[in-house]
Amino acid sequence: KAGVTQTPRYLIKTRGQQVTLSCSPISGHRSVSWYQQTPGQGLQFLFEYFSETQRNKGNFPGRFSGRQFSNSRSEMNVSTLELGDSALYLCASSQGLAPPGETQYFGPGTRLLVL
Amino acid sequence: AQSVTQLDSQVPVFEEAPVELRCNYSSSVSVYLFWYVQYPNQGLQLLLKYLSGSTLVKGINGFEAEFNKSQTSFHLRKPSVHISDTAEYFCAVSYQGAQKLVFGQGTRLTINP
Repeated sequence: KAGVTQTPRYLIKTRGQQVTLSCSPISGHRSVSWYQQTPGQGLQFLFEYFSETQRNKGNFPGRFSGRQFSNSRSEMNVSTLELGDSALYLCASSQGLAPPGETQYFGPGTRLLVL
Repeated sequence: AQSVTQLDSQVPVFEEAPVELRCNYSSSVSVYLFWYVQYPNQGLQLLLKYLSGSTLVKGINGFEAEFNKSQTSFHLRKPSVHISDTAEYFCAVSYQGAQKLVFGQGTRLTINP
């Protein structure tokens, strides 16, 4: 079974631009979560989607948004990019039926650099 | 608020030596505990998790962890490490009512030959 895939793997943007990252979960998984990883703040939860609905949200500004499609693929968008948005963005999928002890499977991440 | 503290940011050990990576959590409710490993330029891979039952949990690659409720700890151990264990290790918790993982800051394990 294919793992979680994320595209693109690397991205360079400039301040003020917006960016869209994509995540395809493991087949059959209906929950997709997004995390931001930075050297200073570590791994922080952004949001989780299940069956096209946002089920939980972390403490990030409204510039960070996401959505999930009927095939469970998810996108996250960051508008008006700031230098501090430079990070590794990780997507994780799970079946979503029995959280929170359910295992989340992570993709390789998208590394975003904001100049 | 729930939080996770990994007591060591870096742990250097010699190959074939034992290692313990320490993790403490704070929570007023029941928690589920996880250890993930991140190799360079990769995502996170689950090593093991504790949901309930036996407090000693065995995972992949020879790792194990012990849940200690009274000390709110979930330390990761391996009796003999290999060069290939060089990576960053993250302890995480999740809990009823929250569909998310709360991570520690990570411990970088370096294996010296």
